[in-house]
Amino acid sequence: DSGVTQTPKHLITATGQRVTLRCSPRSGDLSVYWYQQSLDQGLQFLIQYYNGEERAKGNILERFSAQQFPDLHSELNLSSLELGDSALYFCASSGDLSGNTIYFGEGSWLTVV
Amino acid sequence: AQSVTQLGSHVSVSEGALVLLRCNYSSSVPPYLFWYVQYPNQGLQLLLKYTSAATLVKGINGFEAEFKKSETSFHLTKPSAHMSDAAEYFCAVSRNTGKLIFGQGTTLQVKP
Repeated sequence: DSGVTQTPKHLITATGQRVTLRCSPRSGDLSVYWYQQSLDQGLQFLIQYYNGEERAKGNILERFSAQQFPDLHSELNLSSLELGDSALYFCASSGDLSGNTIYFGEGSWLTVV
Repeated sequence: AQSVTQLGSHVSVSEGALVLLRCNYSSSVPPYLFWYVQYPNQGLQLLLKYTSAATLVKGINGFEAEFKKSETSFHLTKPSAHMSDAAEYFCAVSRNTGKLIFGQGTTLQVKP
């Protein structure tokens, strides 16, 4: 158990819909990362937050957004969903900005039908 | 730009045999390098990391990797494979930012 908690574990939704994925980082970790794992693209970095502020952005679509709340939990919002958004979405956390040790959650499986 | 190439999307070994998973990286600055393992229906678990200290890095479950700057490689090895090692393995690189660039992964099959 990495200490990173993600909900829901599985989600099936229709095209055009919007979903929110939730992540609770390890206790005390200030950095939260979101990654997408798909068959087509592999594992891709989406976005990083540190203590509530956006720190780095990767290949995140404009239809996707994220935020980190004062209690350090984070949410990834996916809107206008397309079939190609079906993927495993990982949240990860670390104690600092260096990311020397990043702990991953078990992921949220999103299926868009 | 940084990139990671894992040679061989599937590797099959017999139980007790040497495991060698290959990873080459491209980075314009000294990189941080990582190996992660993903068991079926689970998240990513850090096996080991290189962060500019010793070039031979020992990790969990008997795995180790050697950073070779001249070859831009960070291959993962284990002297004797166990059935429980069957999983997908990912090599990743970062520039001390927490943004990991992953390779495409190598599925390790261990035959009895």
